[in-house]
Amino acid sequence: EAGVTQFPSHSVIEKGQTVTLRCDPISGHDNLYWYRRVMGKEIKFLLHFVKESKQDESGMPNNRFLAERTGGTYSTLKVQPAELEDSGVYFCASSQVDRILEKLFFGSGTQLSVL
Amino acid sequence: AQKVTQAQTEISVVEKEDVTLDCVYETRDTTYYLFWYKQPPSGELVFLIRRNSFDEQNEISGRYSWNFQKSTSSFNFTITASQVVDSAVYFCALRDYGGATNKLIFGTGTLLAVQP
Repeated sequence: EAGVTQFPSHSVIEKGQTVTLRCDPISGHDNLYWYRRVMGKEIKFLLHFVKESKQDESGMPNNRFLAERTGGTYSTLKVQPAELEDSGVYFCASSQVDRILEKLFFGSGTQLSVL
Repeated sequence: AQKVTQAQTEISVVEKEDVTLDCVYETRDTTYYLFWYKQPPSGELVFLIRRNSFDEQNEISGRYSWNFQKSTSSFNFTITASQVVDSAVYFCALRDYGGATNKLIFGTGTLLAVQP
């Protein structure tokens, strides 16, 4: 069974540019989460989808970040325009919808560097 | 407020040594869950264990063991007879029981380097 897939694995962009990260959850997992780890700091929650609906987006830093999950399958996270402080590793995770307390399955993350 | 503290930023040991990774948490909830995740060089976070606040029994899984002490708000992780393959970043995490979302509160992680 395929795990959570994220791409690109690395992205280097200049300040002011736009970047879109993609996450493909495990098939059948309706819960999809985005987390971010800024260098050396804790991994922080960004938002949570249940199917295509945003359940909780309290962790989104600001309106330069836009997450979508059209059709309830894969999700994208767009940063526009990117700032230096957006650099970090962006993780996606998924779990089954009817087992909220089930463990999360994480992807390998996208390393974003904003220069 | 909920918070997880992993005071050890980096630990270096020689193979076959035992090593303990510390995790201290803060929460006002009486019911909560604690987790450990491993991030190997490949990058993905791998689930190791989930423990609920009602269960203070220590757990052992092969060379891994966890010591949950509610009195000190700690959930420490010990690797016995460490191996090079144990080299990774280890994260401790907390979530409240009643939330409708798997919003985990992570610590800053401990980088474990096991030297051959």
